[in-house]
Amino acid sequence: EVQLVESGGGLVQPGGSLRLSCAASGFTVSSNYMSWVRQAPGKGLEWVSVIYSGGSTYYADSVKGRFTISRDNSRNTLYLQMNSLRTEDTAVYYCARLVSYVTTKYFQHWGQGTLVTVSS
Amino acid sequence: AIQMTQSPSSLSASVGDRVTITCRASQGINKDLGWYQQKPGKAPKLLIYAASSLESGVPSRFSGSGSGTDFTLTISSLQSDDFATYYCLQDYSYPWTFGQGTKVEIK
Repeated sequence: EVQLVESGGGLVQPGGSLRLSCAASGFTVSSNYMSWVRQAPGKGLEWVSVIYSGGSTYYADSVKGRFTISRDNSRNTLYLQMNSLRTEDTAVYYCARLVSYVTTKYFQHWGQGTLVTVSS
Repeated sequence: AIQMTQSPSSLSASVGDRVTITCRASQGINKDLGWYQQKPGKAPKLLIYAASSLESGVPSRFSGSGSGTDFTLTISSLQSDDFATYYCLQDYSYPWTFGQGTKVEIK
């Protein structure tokens, strides 16, 4: 059974840093596309970042240069390093496992989310 | 970035109603679009991928259609479990973008 468990959220001051973790079971993180999606309180979904099985990474313009997606193959865990945090980064952050189909990729499995609050 | 315009932003419907939600892309995205359902306090759930393919385990009352710029999610007969917010997501080009969501409420 595929499971994704996020951790690492919490309260951080503007300008601070936080690292989110997403522990995976039931599949191998390094062999899959993995992504982060966030949702600000009362708002819609926003795609944040993706890492390909080959290691390529892509980011939303709003986080480019501040956030870094990575993985630890030995721990089967996905990470999101968030630096220079802003109040507008306050959100629930979800990790997801993607499946590739023809030219598209879809978010088949999701974690439960972890809340990041950026506030002084 | 490709803009995804979803409509309506909310709707009220009764059990048994046919419901249609649309998503329009600001440029052509072939069929690189998925539909997701989200209930309050929960993670999103995949319903449709590649614009029209039903995810395994999703009831057949859900269907998707479209290609290029115009896409539709249809619920043929609304059930009580379907009251939720629905999002489209394009993965044709980076940055991937979601529609703003459609909240389906009980009439």
